[in-house]
Amino acid sequence: DTAVSQTPKYLVTQMGNDKSIKCEQNLGHDTMYWYKQDSKKFLKIMFSYNNKELIINETVPNRFSPKSPDKAHLNLHINSLELGDSAVYFCASSLGTSGGEGTQYFGPGTRLLVL
Amino acid sequence: GNSVTQMEGPVTLSEEAFLTINCTYTATGYPSLFWYVQYPGEGLQLLLKATKADDKGSNKGFEATYRKETTSFHLEKGSVQVSDSAVYFCALSPAAGNKLTFGGGTRVLVKP
Repeated sequence: DTAVSQTPKYLVTQMGNDKSIKCEQNLGHDTMYWYKQDSKKFLKIMFSYNNKELIINETVPNRFSPKSPDKAHLNLHINSLELGDSAVYFCASSLGTSGGEGTQYFGPGTRLLVL
Repeated sequence: GNSVTQMEGPVTLSEEAFLTINCTYTATGYPSLFWYVQYPGEGLQLLLKATKADDKGSNKGFEATYRKETTSFHLEKGSVQVSDSAVYFCALSPAAGNKLTFGGGTRVLVKP
């Protein structure tokens, strides 16, 4: 299946731990994104990479560090997890960065719960 | 900055009823407009899109028309099914750049 996939789907961890979420797309897209969805379903962009280069970096704590080893992968590492980091994290990808090529396709989400 | 406003839910309907979810936006230039749907426990799926004024996006019986004069992109479906129960998000992508701005989402519940 062609898609955007994320692992893990669920992540339960203790405050202060460090964790990573992985994202892969096999759509041949050049641009990938991370979004955060809070408990009220509000969605906000965190980061975007185009051809492994960071192009969007919103006001996100520097405990969050994205890494793109190649165009098909974008991982999100979170240090020193806090209770407020509990959310659903969505990865997305698009062919390009504008117009119709900028249409974004989302992964299934990673539900992070920090205890 | 860019913003998207959509009607707050929940919207509760009976099967075969007509559904409208209002969406208005604020943006410079000519953004692209999208509707995404999130079924319970799942990720976001692209439902439909329109990339220029007066374009109509359609999919699975849903339609939305890009109205530049009223800065709106209202979602409609003529006859809903129980399986349409989900949260619907309106979003825009600016003319320059590709940072999606989402509305707050509208939960729709269709009862048999």
